[in-house]
Amino acid sequence: GIQVEQSPPDLILQEGANSTLRCNFSDSVNNLQWFHQNPWGQLINLFYIPSGTKQNGRLSATTVATERYSLLYISSSQTTDSGVYFCAVEGSGSRLTFGEGTQLTVNP
Amino acid sequence: DVKVTQSSRYLVKRTGEKVFLECVQDMDHENMFWYRQDPGLGLRLIYFSYDVKMKEKGDIPEGYSVSREKKERFSLILESASTNQTSMYLCASSSGGRYQGYTFGSGTRLTVV
Repeated sequence: GIQVEQSPPDLILQEGANSTLRCNFSDSVNNLQWFHQNPWGQLINLFYIPSGTKQNGRLSATTVATERYSLLYISSSQTTDSGVYFCAVEGSGSRLTFGEGTQLTVNP
Repeated sequence: DVKVTQSSRYLVKRTGEKVFLECVQDMDHENMFWYRQDPGLGLRLIYFSYDVKMKEKGDIPEGYSVSREKKERFSLILESASTNQTSMYLCASSSGGRYQGYTFGSGTRLTVV
């Protein structure tokens, strides 16, 4: 099946810093989503982005499908951004495969 | 907003018990999924369903079964709970078609003792 690799596995930032999270995938995809899991376990869909660039406030994402990677940018980070960020992709089947996530800690 | 509700936030069960985890979505989504999440392993798909009374095995179906008698409800069943099934269980739903934005429930943390 399709493989998804995320980097870095852990990231510690000071409030106000910017960061870039990366997701590499092993095959062509029909769907790519970024999720944020808050400290209480809730998974929130951030972006549906199989290709191109999207922005939502301080967050933006870019997927280069031909090169099989996606990037999530967080600008001016806040403590509420802490949690785990997951990249998930859908290949030929209608099911998402998740990466192992990036654990982000933003310190005040 | 689509809401996916999981019946329990925390559960503690004994080894050998039959365990039911319930998931209900309120937006008439065709597709429903059960994942488990473990440290260092990310989310792994257990079972999924594209329609009432149908089910498909995911990547780790062993020790689990599912039931989907109504479109809005998807139940995960542990026939005989074991300690290696201690985990966070997450239910999700999505509409069919090209855009498959997934919505997740808040999770059930199951401990088998």
